[in-house]
Amino acid sequence: SQQGEEDPQALSIQEGENATMNCSYKTSINNLQWYRQNSGRGLVHLILIRSNEREKHSGRLRVTLDTSKKSSSLLITASRAADTASYFCATVLTGGFKTIFGAGTRLFVKA
Amino acid sequence: GAGVSQTPSNKVTEKGKYVELRCDPISGHTALYWYRQSLGQGPEFLIYFQGTGAADDSGLPNDRFFAVRPEGSVSTLKIQRTERGDSAVYLCASSSLTRNNEQFFGPGTRLTVL
Repeated sequence: SQQGEEDPQALSIQEGENATMNCSYKTSINNLQWYRQNSGRGLVHLILIRSNEREKHSGRLRVTLDTSKKSSSLLITASRAADTASYFCATVLTGGFKTIFGAGTRLFVKA
Repeated sequence: GAGVSQTPSNKVTEKGKYVELRCDPISGHTALYWYRQSLGQGPEFLIYFQGTGAADDSGLPNDRFFAVRPEGSVSTLKIQRTERGDSAVYLCASSSLTRNNEQFFGPGTRLTVL
């Protein structure tokens, strides 16, 4: 079964607003990654945060990780219509490279 | 090539038939993953290769599914006696372990079992 759970399942915002998506997981991880997917094909890696890191930035993206709560959040600032996509968190389990994806958050950014 | 490629892009087959799905990873990437994605769901881990060997095949749903990577590059996912429930998009990803396991995904093969 999928380990990651994302919240919300869907999010609709206006262009220029910020979008926050959350991910929770169950077991010990090596790192956590966020991916974007357009039109149900071809995932694109956005950002990776290691288990010993708490926050990371990349352009308009900000990721946090709280290993005590087994949760992560992805913040997209100043959203654009082109950010409309599905966003998935993926956890790489400790001791290996098995990667477990959540069910995703579907983001709609209205122009 | 510049990215991960998968062939065919679409495959329609009949229940009970055998299919092979191919993945060409990014040159030099030692790690290769297969996932299956159903509509509205996240990718479901199937198998992970490190070089030629399957380091973790715990996601393969049953013994009808098998994957190989004989020379540590191209991989083939094989499905025997296909069932309608096998219909999904099959995604392949490759990774260089020096990049902290960032995975580069191919466009996927959409398998439809009639």
